[in-house]
Amino acid sequence: EVQLVESGGGLVQPGGSLRLSCVDSGFTFSDYWMSWVRQTPGKGLEWVANIKHDGSDKQYVDSAKGRFAITRDNAKNSLYLQMNSLRAEDTAMYYCARVDCSRTSCYFDYWGQGTPVTVSS
Amino acid sequence: QSVLTQPPSVSGAPGQRVTISCAGSSSNIGAGYDVHWYQQAPGTAPKLLISGNNRRPSGVPDRFSGSKSGTSASLAISGLQAEDEADYYCQSYDSRLIAYVFGTGTKVTV
Repeated sequence: EVQLVESGGGLVQPGGSLRLSCVDSGFTFSDYWMSWVRQTPGKGLEWVANIKHDGSDKQYVDSAKGRFAITRDNAKNSLYLQMNSLRAEDTAMYYCARVDCSRTSCYFDYWGQGTPVTVSS
Repeated sequence: QSVLTQPPSVSGAPGQRVTISCAGSSSNIGAGYDVHWYQQAPGTAPKLLISGNNRRPSGVPDRFSGSKSGTSASLAISGLQAEDEADYYCQSYDSRLIAYVFGTGTKVTV
């Protein structure tokens, strides 16, 4: 059974940092691209970042570029998101998701339960 | 801001058929990128419902079907059941934003 378990969320002040983790099981982690997707009541679902199987390619939404860093450790079946210079608008539930692709675009076939991040003073 | 537009809500009686539209543009759906759909029950994570416009993952009932035409896509739910009450999101890729994009979401009430 595929399982993705996030951790690391919490309350942080504006300008602060947070590192999210996602431990995965039930599939060969190193065979898949992985993503972080966030959800806010106001903006709905938003893709944040992707990372290739071996970590050699990373993609980010514009609002995350320069502030967030996605990494992975295939030996530990783990995905990470280092978030710096956090802003109030980064407040959201953050989901770890496995990536698969159809003929012309990719999608998220398994999701974790999410870890909440609140940026507030 | 979401670039894929969905109706905020749709409703139907048990057994009826409802459809949810997903309107895009020439840089996403209209550019030929496939559309995928997710179901999110209250308090849970999204779950993949349809991939590649019309493919159901194992375990998804055939009451759910997807289609795509031009710059838009649709999700149909036939034989509506109480357990189908949830939020539904479409998703595709946008070549102008260079990002995976989601729809605004639709709440289905049975």
